[in-house]
Amino acid sequence: GAVVSQHPSWVICKSGTSVKIECRSLDFQATTMFWYRQFPKQSLMLMATSNEGSKATYEQGVEKDKFLINHASLTLSTLTVTSAHPEDSSFYICSARDSLTSGGTGELFFGEGSRLTVL
Amino acid sequence: AQSVTQLGSHVSVSEGALVLLRCNYSSSVPPYLFWYVQYPNQGLQLLLKYTSAATLVKGINGFEAEFKKSETSFHLTKPSAHMSDAAEYFCAVSVGGYGGATNKLIFGTGTLLAVQP
Repeated sequence: GAVVSQHPSWVICKSGTSVKIECRSLDFQATTMFWYRQFPKQSLMLMATSNEGSKATYEQGVEKDKFLINHASLTLSTLTVTSAHPEDSSFYICSARDSLTSGGTGELFFGEGSRLTVL
Repeated sequence: AQSVTQLGSHVSVSEGALVLLRCNYSSSVPPYLFWYVQYPNQGLQLLLKYTSAATLVKGINGFEAEFKKSETSFHLTKPSAHMSDAAEYFCAVSVGGYGGATNKLIFGTGTLLAVQP
């Protein structure tokens, strides 16, 4: 299957700093990527839909100025947590479909996740 | 609005026993349903998917699920549990129907499967 890679896998930062998480589709092009957030022992909550070359679409209740999403190319989307605070600590997971082939299957390919800890 | 509900946040079975993880859906249109597995500190891996073809869907690692419209269910089963099956399992529904690179997946709350030796 298609591979989605996230970096970094783990990040620890001080409160007030910004952290950038990268999501790359390694062997396919993705016009759309999705960012999820997962709290410990809970389900995945969709944060936003990242659209290549245009603004991201945020789910209700997600602060777009807090979680900046950029989808500059067909293989890269970034999530920047700005002015991070301890309550932003979480597991962030990105996902994508192959725009050319698997768009008709509905299957999402997931990155390995990025665990953010804000001190 | 489309949604899925997973009954039982924790399920424990003995090695070799039947695995049954429950998922019920709510949808005003024909749903497209998925089961994903997540191992600790990892992303999600697709187990199987229902896309309006056969109602009994076979997936990887010996798992299968049956779509039952009358019961609005899509339960996941495996005849014989293996220690390596211990993980978190998520049921999901595709919002916006089938296909389309922009369709979102909405996940259930997850079921943590423990396998006892």
